Amino acid sequence: GQNIDQPTEMTATEGAIVQINCTYQTSGFNGLFWYQQHAGEAPTFLSYNVLDGLEEKGRFSSFLSRSKGYSYLLLKELQMKDSASYLCAVRDSNYQLIWGAGTKLIIKP
Amino acid sequence: IAGITQAPTSQILAAGRRMTLRCTQDMRHNAMYWYRQDLGLGLRLIHYSNTAGTTGKGEVPDGYSVSRANTDDFPLTLASAVPSQTSVYFCASSDGASGHTGELFFGEGSRLTVL
Repeated sequence: GQNIDQPTEMTATEGAIVQINCTYQTSGFNGLFWYQQHAGEAPTFLSYNVLDGLEEKGRFSSFLSRSKGYSYLLLKELQMKDSASYLCAVRDSNYQLIWGAGTKLIIKP
Repeated sequence: IAGITQAPTSQILAAGRRMTLRCTQDMRHNAMYWYRQDLGLGLRLIHYSNTAGTTGKGEVPDGYSVSRANTDDFPLTLASAVPSQTSVYFCASSDGASGHTGELFFGEGSRLTVL
C-alpha cells in the first residue's frame, strides 16, 4: 500500500531551527508537497519538490531524495506564528495526492 | 478576493438527513476536489473532478455524491448522513495547466457533526 510517515508532534524554541522529516512509499512519484495548516484553518501551500535537492524559499527550505523516499522541511529563525501542523503529500503515478497525517509543531518562547 | 468559498462553515445534522455542502471557486481552475480531515489521519479524498462535466471517486467515496455542472461549482451531497461522516470537509481546486506545479488551493472548510 501507499504510505506517508511523518512525526506526530515536535517542539522547538523561538528563534531556533527545526527539521520535519517525511518518508514515503508510493506507487510512482510525480512530486512532493509541503503544506502548512494553522489550527482551525485550511492548509496552505508551502513548497514543491520534484527533483532531488534543496528548494529554498525565505525562512523555509524543502529537501528531496527520491532514491531514499525522503524529504524534510527546514524552518529557520522560528517565530511563534510558525506554530501549526505541517502536511507532507506525494503525487503518485496516477497524479493522485497521498497525504501524511501531519506534524504538529509547537513553538515555545 | 479570488479563491474558494465553502458553505456552510459549520452544521449539526441529525442522522438520516440529506445534506449538501457547497463549494464555489472563481479562479477558473479545471480540477476540484473534496477531502475530509479527521484527527490523526491524513486528508482523504472523497471525490474529484478533473474538468466540468466529469467526476471521479477518491479513496472514501461511499455515502457521498458530487456533480460538476460548470467550472465554478462542485457541491458534495450526503444522501443519508451517518455519525461516521462527522468530520471537517475541505474543498480544493488546482490549475492543471502545463508549467504549474498543481498545488491545491483550499476553501476554509465545513465542520459537520452528525448526531
